[in-house]
Amino acid sequence: NAGVTQTPKFQVLKTGQSMTLQCAQDMNHNSMYWYRQDPGMGLRLIYYSASEGTTDKGEVPNGYNVSRLNKREFSLRLESAAPSQTSVYFCASSVFWEGQGIYEQYFGPGTRLTVT
Amino acid sequence: AQSVTQLDSHVSVSEGTPVLLRCNYSSSYSPSLFWYVQHPNKGLQLLLKYTSAATLVKGINGFEAEFKKSETSFHLTKPSAHMSDAAEYFCVVSGRRGGADGLTFGKGTHLIIQP
Repeated sequence: NAGVTQTPKFQVLKTGQSMTLQCAQDMNHNSMYWYRQDPGMGLRLIYYSASEGTTDKGEVPNGYNVSRLNKREFSLRLESAAPSQTSVYFCASSVFWEGQGIYEQYFGPGTRLTVT
Repeated sequence: AQSVTQLDSHVSVSEGTPVLLRCNYSSSYSPSLFWYVQHPNKGLQLLLKYTSAATLVKGINGFEAEFKKSETSFHLTKPSAHMSDAAEYFCVVSGRRGGADGLTFGKGTHLIIQP
């Protein structure tokens, strides 16, 4: 059971280049998320997908697109990278604990992206 | 909307002494609250979660947190700090849908353990 996996681990892009960050989970979770982490800011939600075939914007969606390819995979695309998108990106998936009424999130190891 | 305020950006304690990391939250409904830990250059690990079943929540590695509705607080404590506790700690609140629409993170508290 690998949990949540992300590729690549590190990436350097030039301004204007595009790339896709990949995320996969093997826990059969319905919901998946993309966050970015910047120094002193905590994590901020970019997009989420409550189920296969649906996606919704989070707090900071500008400059990003997402695809929920199937139940396992949720990708994040930067069409034209900007230095402001230099960050660490975390993917997560969540399980719903019915007895507690909450979604518990499991995080991937992160992708460190630098845009020059 | 919900929000989280972590009252200290850095906390420094000596090994073997108690740890207190402070968190206040704001929510218009009964929230679910979490503490996550992030060791340097690592991902995030769930320490504990509050789900209204009990106000005192025990987590992993000897940490616990107490939910106080009257004070809108969810402070994290540990009786005796260990060097391995040095990390970034995040207080987190779920949305109305219990986290289905994502989590709101505090800005983090950097815990430093002095030998």
